[in-house]
Amino acid sequence: DAGVIQSPRHEVTEMGQEVTLRCKPISGHNSLFWYRQTMMRGLELLIYFNNNVPIDDSGMPEDRFSAKMPNASFSTLKIQPSEPRDSAVYFCASSLIQGGGYTFGSGTRLTVV
Amino acid sequence: QQQVKQSPQSLIVQKGGISIINCAYENTAFDYFPWYQQFPGKGPALLIAIRPDVSEKKEGRFTISFNKSAKQFSLHIMDSQPGDSATYFCAASKGGTYKYIFGTGTRLKVLA
Repeated sequence: DAGVIQSPRHEVTEMGQEVTLRCKPISGHNSLFWYRQTMMRGLELLIYFNNNVPIDDSGMPEDRFSAKMPNASFSTLKIQPSEPRDSAVYFCASSLIQGGGYTFGSGTRLTVV
Repeated sequence: QQQVKQSPQSLIVQKGGISIINCAYENTAFDYFPWYQQFPGKGPALLIAIRPDVSEKKEGRFTISFNKSAKQFSLHIMDSQPGDSATYFCAASKGGTYKYIFGTGTRLKVLA
C-alpha cells in the first residue's frame, strides 16, 4: 500500500491567492482527517470526515478554509484567500478502526508570502 | 478538559539510556492513548497505544505506563539509540469518536 498520499509537498503562494491541498487516503479507510502543524500550536485537528461526510469542522479557523471529500479516495482542503498566518505544515491522515491509530501522509508545507 | 499536557519539551539522552516522556489528561472519558513518532519532513507515525484497562504495554524497546487514577501516562524508550532521535507526541481520544487531542510534542535527541 502506498500509504496516505498528499500533494503538493511544498507550496509557496502570495497572500490573497487560493490554495488547494490534496489527499488520497489509504484504500478502505473510512475516516479522513486534516491537521495543521505549527511550532506555536502543535498539531491541530481542522476537520474530519467519516464515510465521506464531514463530522466535525470545529477546528477550521475561519470561513477562508473549506474542505471536501467527494468520494472515498480523495479530499481537498482549500484556503481562499490565503494569509501569511496560514503558513504551516498541513497533514492528512486516514483511519479504519474506530478509535484506532491514524496513518498520516507526509504533509504539505505551505508558505504564504 | 480537552488538553493533553506533555513534558518535557525536549530531552537529551545518552546512547543506551532510558528516555521517559510524560503526559497528563483531565477528561476521564478518554479511552485510547497512542504515541506517535515524527521524523523531520515526515508525518507522525503510530508507535504504540494503550487503553485504560491495562497499566502497561510493551513493544520491543518501547513501553507505555498508564496510571488511570492519576490520569497520567508515559512512554519509556529503553536502550535509546541515535535512530530514536525524533519528536514524540502523545494523544488521547474518547470512545465513539476519531478525534485525537495531541500533546505539544517532545523533541528527543539521543547522543551517540
